[in-house]
Amino acid sequence: GAVVSQHPSWVICKSGTSVKIECRSLDFQATTMFWYRQFPKQSLMLMATSNEGSKATYEQGVEKDKFLINHASLTLSTLTVTSAHPEDSSFYICSARDARLGGVAPDTQYFGPGTRLTVL
Amino acid sequence: KNQVEQSPQSLIILEGKNCTLQCNYTVSPFSNLRWYKQDTGRGPVSLTIMTFSENTKSNGRYTATLDADTKQSSLHITASQLSDSASYICVVSRDGGSQGNLIFGKGTKLSVKP
Repeated sequence: GAVVSQHPSWVICKSGTSVKIECRSLDFQATTMFWYRQFPKQSLMLMATSNEGSKATYEQGVEKDKFLINHASLTLSTLTVTSAHPEDSSFYICSARDARLGGVAPDTQYFGPGTRLTVL
Repeated sequence: KNQVEQSPQSLIILEGKNCTLQCNYTVSPFSNLRWYKQDTGRGPVSLTIMTFSENTKSNGRYTATLDADTKQSSLHITASQLSDSASYICVVSRDGGSQGNLIFGKGTKLSVKP
C-alpha cells in the first residue's frame, strides 16, 4: 500500500528558530501533497496544498512567509516553520495523493505519521 | 456551510463490546465519505470509503453505513479490542476531482477498557 513518511517524528526548538519537516511518499509518486495542522482535541486543518514544481496554495489565515513549503520532487515536500513561536506548537501532518489514481476515489490522500513540534 | 459533525465526542466501552459512532454532514456537492482511525500521536489511517451509491462497507470488525438522503453515516465496531482505542474521524470529500477538498469531523475518541 501507499506509504508516507515524515521526519522528524518530534522536534523541540527554541523560540525564534526555524524548523524543517520532511514529507516523503515512499512507494508512489505524489504530484500533490497537503500539509495539515492539528491542535489537541481538534480536527485536522488544512494549511496548504503543495504541487510539485509550483508554488504552494495556502489556506486563508495561513502565513506563507512563516510556513515555507517546497515540493521539489514527486516524492518529497518540506514544510519550514520560520521564526517559530510557542503558539506554533502543534501536530503537523502531511498527506500525499498518488498521481496514478483515478476512478472512484481520485482524491484519496495517504497520511504521514505526523510531526510533533514543541516550541519553547 | 460545509460541516461534518460527529457524536459522541468521546466514548468508553469494555473490551469485547460493540459500539456505533455517528457522523452527520452538510457537504455539497458530495463525492465520498471516509472513516479514519487515528492513534494518539499518529497520522490518520483509512478504514472505509463510500460513494453516494453505497449503503454499507465493511473492513474486518469495522462496518460503515451511509444514508445519502439523510446525510448520515455510522461506524460500527464489533467485538472491540484494546487496540481499537483511538480517535475515529469522519471525512467527507466535497468534490472528487479537486485538490484537498476534504471536510474533517472533530472525531470521536474511543477508549476500550479491559
